[in-house]
Amino acid sequence: DAKTTQPPSMDCAEGRAANLPCNHSTISGNEYVYWYRQIHSQGPQYIIHGLKNNETNEMASLIITEDRKSSTLILPHATLRDTAVYYCIASYGKFYFGSGTKLNVKP
Amino acid sequence: GEEVAQTPKHLVRGEGQKAKLYCAPIKGHSYVFWYQQVLKNEFKFLISFQNENVFDETGMPKERFSAKCLPNSPCSLEIQATKLEDSAVYFCASSPYLVGSSYNEQFFGPGTRLTVL
Repeated sequence: DAKTTQPPSMDCAEGRAANLPCNHSTISGNEYVYWYRQIHSQGPQYIIHGLKNNETNEMASLIITEDRKSSTLILPHATLRDTAVYYCIASYGKFYFGSGTKLNVKP
Repeated sequence: GEEVAQTPKHLVRGEGQKAKLYCAPIKGHSYVFWYQQVLKNEFKFLISFQNENVFDETGMPKERFSAKCLPNSPCSLEIQATKLEDSAVYFCASSPYLVGSSYNEQFFGPGTRLTVL
């Protein structure tokens, strides 16, 4: 599975868009990009995933570069409840979690 | 059920004692995964099952850890002779598909916190 690299922490003002980057330069052709988040010590929560194309759902948007070596998770209007550790995973099967990005949403 | 269920929520064991954790995957999901979260952010893959068959056990410590998924029973993860370093939160996840499908997200349970004293 491809290794991912994320910044350890980011701040975002409430109501603004949060853009979380992820580098997965060694991703292989059949590996999907998944984003999960963990709030406190709860079980990881699925956010979104994609292979090549950009994806959008009710929670977020996922932008994958054309070469698939990096991606960005966009939370369009961050709220205080979005404060969590966000994990980017490049996988075809079992998940290898990196250290994630701690997103702090501030009032 | 519609959620992955894990029991117990907390488990405390003395060093050397046995610990057994349970996971009920979402009904209809064929794949079950076990992960260990030792430090706040670091997850380690342990083992996965396709129905009752071991699919991938590359992350399992061979000596003291074992796992099963039997028909009509919750899956289990057992640690014989626990050690202090086994203290962690153990997460179970289930997935409907694995290979060749875009719909292979994993749904995680709430975890079991194991404390070894």
